[in-house]
Amino acid sequence: EVRLTQSGAELKEPGESLKISCQASGYRFTDYWIGWVRQMPGKGLEWMAIVHPGHFNRRDNPSFGGHVTLDFDASINTAFLQWRSLQASDTAIYYCARRRDVTGSPFDLWGQGTLVTVSS
Amino acid sequence: QSALTQPRSVSGSPGQSVTVSCTGTSADVGRYNFVSWYQQHPGKAPKLLIHDVSQRPSGIPDRFSGSKSGNTASLEISGLQTDDEADYFCCSYAGTYNPFVFGTGTEVTVL
Repeated sequence: EVRLTQSGAELKEPGESLKISCQASGYRFTDYWIGWVRQMPGKGLEWMAIVHPGHFNRRDNPSFGGHVTLDFDASINTAFLQWRSLQASDTAIYYCARRRDVTGSPFDLWGQGTLVTVSS
Repeated sequence: QSALTQPRSVSGSPGQSVTVSCTGTSADVGRYNFVSWYQQHPGKAPKLLIHDVSQRPSGIPDRFSGSKSGNTASLEISGLQTDDEADYFCCSYAGTYNPFVFGTGTEVTVL
């Protein structure tokens, strides 16, 4: 089965670091872009960044200003999203999603989401 | 890049048709035929319904159809069913370095 499986919910305090993961299965990880989408409580979808594990190109949404780091390990078909210092405003559900390597392609496969709660 | 504009909510009775609009600009919706639509049930991940303005992925019923005119894209849901009650988001390509501009989202209610 083709799927993206994300790591579990996290509860963190402001200033802490965090790394969440997204493991792909059922397809060739290096043939597709993999990206992250944020959904703040009760709000809409915002793309954060995407990377292609095959040719290493990446695109970053300037709105997120380098606050997060996108990484991947092709040997385990897994993408990561990392924060060095969390803020309360990072509280959201984070989805990973797959995109074909064709201009204009949508996100055609989504992970189940990882809830990140940042609170003191 | 501003979000695409969608109505906050639309509603209809079972069996009726509803249309969700998605208004962008000449830099996104109006420029490219790469509009997609996603359905999101409460507590669930988004699911791709429509891509390339009007194309349905395998498994999506033909009750869902997409179109575009100028800077506005539309999603029509015909033969409304209770399971169609969800949030719907449009999304447009806006260039190599801005591949996703999402809409503000529309809550569809089945009366």
